[in-house]
Amino acid sequence: AQTIHQWPVAEIKAVGSPLSLGCTIKGKSSPNLYWYWQATGGTLQQLFYSITVGQVESVVQLNLSASRPKDDQFILSTEKLLLSHSGFYLCAWSLASQNTLYFGAGTRLSVL
Amino acid sequence: GEQVEQLPSILRVQEGSSASINCSYEDSASNYFPWYKQEPGENPKLIIDIRSNMERKQIQELIVLLDKKAKRFSLHITDTQPGDSAMYFCAASVTGGNNKLTFGQGTVLSVIP
Repeated sequence: AQTIHQWPVAEIKAVGSPLSLGCTIKGKSSPNLYWYWQATGGTLQQLFYSITVGQVESVVQLNLSASRPKDDQFILSTEKLLLSHSGFYLCAWSLASQNTLYFGAGTRLSVL
Repeated sequence: GEQVEQLPSILRVQEGSSASINCSYEDSASNYFPWYKQEPGENPKLIIDIRSNMERKQIQELIVLLDKKAKRFSLHITDTQPGDSAMYFCAASVTGGNNKLTFGQGTVLSVIP
């Protein structure tokens, strides 16, 4: 069975500090991978997607970047956090041929 | 890009009654419409979905209706229970490309015992 694991579960960081969030998916070969962001009580906004290793497309500009160093790994990062980066970051996967999206447990980020 | 509007934003119903959430979309090419349930502090979980080749789908107490002409779809929860209390999101996407799901703004459902 496929599993998706996100780390860390939660982070409290200072404005201007760097950030790295990780996501791994096991049990699926060459999945599409996504990063979504959710403000508290808000909707889900797609940030990045990747259909293959080394290829990442940005959907919105939020001073964040993403990379896919391995088929089963997706990384979200920034060198300088802003207050507006606070929220819930969700990694998700889908099969290339289908739209059905499955979310990881998420990382809750507080920027102070 | 696609825009999805979801109403109402807050819904309170008595236990045992029905709850309905409505969504509309703009892109006539959208052909996949999932619904997610998100409990406080947790990730969204897929509860039911419908594709454009169907008008109605039911899984136990969940019914989804799709009107492609009007570009509207809706979720109906029959015989609501306190465990149905959560945030619900509708979404729409076009198969292919990045399979981008555009989400509605969400509905907070409270089922009153």
